[in-house]
Amino acid sequence: AQSVTQPDIHITVSEGASLELRCNYSYGATPYLFWYVQSPGQGLQLLLKYFSGDTLVQGIKGFEAEFKRSQSSFNLRKPSVHWSDAAEYFCAVDPRSSNTGKLIFGQGTTLQVKP
Amino acid sequence: DVKVTQSSRYLVKRTGEKVFLECVQDMDHENMFWYRQDPGLGLRLIYFSYDVKMKEKGDIPEGYSVSREKKERFSLILESASTNQTSMYLCASSLSGGQEKLFFGSGTQLSVL
Repeated sequence: AQSVTQPDIHITVSEGASLELRCNYSYGATPYLFWYVQSPGQGLQLLLKYFSGDTLVQGIKGFEAEFKRSQSSFNLRKPSVHWSDAAEYFCAVDPRSSNTGKLIFGQGTTLQVKP
Repeated sequence: DVKVTQSSRYLVKRTGEKVFLECVQDMDHENMFWYRQDPGLGLRLIYFSYDVKMKEKGDIPEGYSVSREKKERFSLILESASTNQTSMYLCASSLSGGQEKLFFGSGTQLSVL
């Protein structure tokens, strides 16, 4: 079945430590790939997206993500986490089966940052 | 910047009531979406619309309907609210076609008692 999986429900890291959030998808063709962030009480904001080309994409707030076709993964990374990065992170895909732009979201990963 | 405005931040309704959730966007986007967000389940698509008066079911349309009479406004309707519809509802909009990012409202936390 087509799906988007974020294996980690909660992650806690210390401020200044590196971060990697995992995302795996299960679709026949490479979908369009997105990472969104939701701060408490806010809507979702786009961090970055991948459509084609260079498999390492840069986003806002110092985030980057790497597309690995062989692993069907699109993991989000940040070299040094700040306390303001505490939020919920969602991986999403556009299956490209239609041209409507609708996204399928993963379950989300809640990031807690320790001082 | 695109603004997507949801009419209520918090809403409390009783079982059986008819509930309207309103969403307005100000950037002339063709696509509009209603998602439901529940802990551990992420966002699930209820309905979307790619043009005025056009709508398509998402993954969980049961118990919901929608209305899009004007391009900027997309309403979600709970015909007879039930307790299992207690959730956070997020509206989003985007330009037509794929590859376009979604712009989200701040959400409406609906409690059905």
